[in-house]
Amino acid sequence: AQKVTQAQTEISVVEKEDVTLDCVYETRDTTYYLFWYKQPPSGELVFLIRRNSFDEQNEISGRYSWNFQKSTSSFNFTITASQVVDSAVYFCALSEEGNAGNNRKLIWGLGTSLAVNP
Amino acid sequence: ETGVTQSPTHLIKTRGQQVTLRCSSQSGHNTVSWYQQALGQGPQFIFQYYREEENGRGNFPPRFSGLQFPNYSSELNVNALELDDSALYLCASSRGGSTGELFFGEGSRLTVL
Repeated sequence: AQKVTQAQTEISVVEKEDVTLDCVYETRDTTYYLFWYKQPPSGELVFLIRRNSFDEQNEISGRYSWNFQKSTSSFNFTITASQVVDSAVYFCALSEEGNAGNNRKLIWGLGTSLAVNP
Repeated sequence: ETGVTQSPTHLIKTRGQQVTLRCSSQSGHNTVSWYQQALGQGPQFIFQYYREEENGRGNFPPRFSGLQFPNYSSELNVNALELDDSALYLCASSRGGSTGELFFGEGSRLTVL
């Protein structure tokens, strides 16, 4: 069965610290997609990144970077030089390859609540 | 802003009542998914509509039903409300054929008393 585990429930850091959010997934599929979403207090889930199972290249976008390792079934997210505006709940999610033309459901972790303090 | 709008933003109902939640998808998107997010939990997939037909359903009872209209907006209906239905209901729109990037609205927070 598909499963996403975010072992860190809450993390608190001081501004400018680096922080890594862990994500471990389980799937029997060879083709799948991994996602990270940010949920600020307003409730809207904001898309951060999508990675397919065949692309293990790490990605950097500004202060954000992602480390995908199939060997350990992990897709970790690092925020460098954290800022107060980064405070939110962050979700990791997994999707199987869908039928042609259609999207499939996402399986979500429980989220990691990140508090960045000034 | 994602261009996905949901209404109402907050509502309170009592057990046994029925509720309808509405979602307008982003322009150009023909697929709408609904998720239930209980407090402190990750979203749980309810169902998805693609070109006005249900295309996949999660582990939710039949009293959760939906519709998608020709303009691709959507409704989620919940009958015989139970206390455990209290949650944030999130609508997400996407383009059919894309690989899962979902654009979410801000959700409808339902409280069942």
